Amino acid sequence: EAQVTQNPRYLITVTGKKLTVTCSQNMNHEYMSWYRQDPGLGLRQIYYSMNVEVTDKGDVPEGYKVSRKEKRNFPLILESPSPNQTSLYFCASIGFSGLAGAETQYFGPGTRLLVL
Amino acid sequence: AQSVTQPDIHITVSEGASLELRCNYSYGATPYLFWYVQSPGQGLQLLLKYFSGDTLVQGIKGFEAEFKRSQSSFNLRKPSVHWSDAAEYFCAVVYPIRGSNYKLTFGKGTLLTVNP
Repeated sequence: EAQVTQNPRYLITVTGKKLTVTCSQNMNHEYMSWYRQDPGLGLRQIYYSMNVEVTDKGDVPEGYKVSRKEKRNFPLILESPSPNQTSLYFCASIGFSGLAGAETQYFGPGTRLLVL
Repeated sequence: AQSVTQPDIHITVSEGASLELRCNYSYGATPYLFWYVQSPGQGLQLLLKYFSGDTLVQGIKGFEAEFKRSQSSFNLRKPSVHWSDAAEYFCAVVYPIRGSNYKLTFGKGTLLTVNP
């Protein structure tokens, strides 16, 4: 079954304690992306990756890091979390067909993070 | 910069009434267009998508959307709303950047309330 998995689903942490949210897809998609969702702001892109070792900043990258060492995994790293990073996070993976555009998009179930 | 606008933050309709949710995009060419729905506490579910061809696309749950190039719009419609349609709806676009790279951007969402 095609899917995107995220772990953990829920996380409570304290300011400054490094954390990693994992994202994994089993569809061999090249494009993966992280979003945060906040009330009234919709989904905002944090980082995205077009392929292994290729990552780029989205709209709100401050305070986050990512890595793409292999195609299936795209972890989101918060080196020193702060309360303003309390949010709902979604990982997405998209399969493109050359220049034809986006064909299939899959979202993970979300990770709810609370930073105290 | 390219953007997606959902002008209505919150819409309330009566059950059985028709619905139209607005989405406008800012991009020089035709992007790839999507509508997602998010029920309370749930992840994102793809309702429909438009890449090319017939400008009226049918989706799941009785939804349809019409692409109007002249208005840079991709409005979502449903002829008769059910109470279970109460959710938040997101318009999203994918457009190419820097050659074969693509960027996925979401609108801020429209919250739909359905009155009995």
